[in-house]
Amino acid sequence: DQQVKQNSPSLSVQEGRISILNCDYTNSMFDYFLWYKKYPAEGPTFLISISSIKDKNEDGRFTVFLNKSAKHLSLHIVPSQPGDSAVYFCAASEGGTSYGKLTFGQGTILTVHP
Amino acid sequence: DTEVTQTPKHLVMGMTNKKSLKCEQHMGHRAMYWYKQKAKKPPELMFVYSYEKLSINESVPSRFSPECPNSSLLNLHLHALQPEDSALYLCASSQDVARDYEQYFGPGTRLTVT
Repeated sequence: DQQVKQNSPSLSVQEGRISILNCDYTNSMFDYFLWYKKYPAEGPTFLISISSIKDKNEDGRFTVFLNKSAKHLSLHIVPSQPGDSAVYFCAASEGGTSYGKLTFGQGTILTVHP
Repeated sequence: DTEVTQTPKHLVMGMTNKKSLKCEQHMGHRAMYWYKQKAKKPPELMFVYSYEKLSINESVPSRFSPECPNSSLLNLHLHALQPEDSALYLCASSQDVARDYEQYFGPGTRLTVT
């Protein structure tokens, strides 16, 4: 049972435009969400996170939006750059005894064309 | 230094072999993690160590045996593996297991079981 889903396996965007990556979750106990970026032959790198008490968090070109009622979050990258081309993973965490456990989505391959 | 190192980068082993994967960080982090990632799948948590004690075991078969000899080192001992255990094994660390501490990932060890 996939508790975190990224339904778009890939996304292609022109340089300078907006990239929007989507993520849905089913576990209502998740209360903290993260986005990681992964280049080939490297481990995932943390990008940005959001707590369930917020609906938006911004860090430079990256903004994450959370819609708790829809159990949906999205990552906006503006403007997109060729160096952003990578696999993007959405991840979720719940509290209590599950501290430290991240559940990842399948990933979305982002390609930004010059 | 925000680096998590893993050795070896690649490992090929037979089903009767015993081998170990090694992970090291010098960021003073007190939580360390092992993940397994199969091709085109998300990373899946295997083990979490908090202050050198095992805090989460995601029902991993006993042929995988983790060890945390000190706060900087994490090992994964492998014995009698099956071909389906072939995967990328990722190590990560974070300041603590609290969910708002980001996890830093190593580049992984690509394991092939023949």
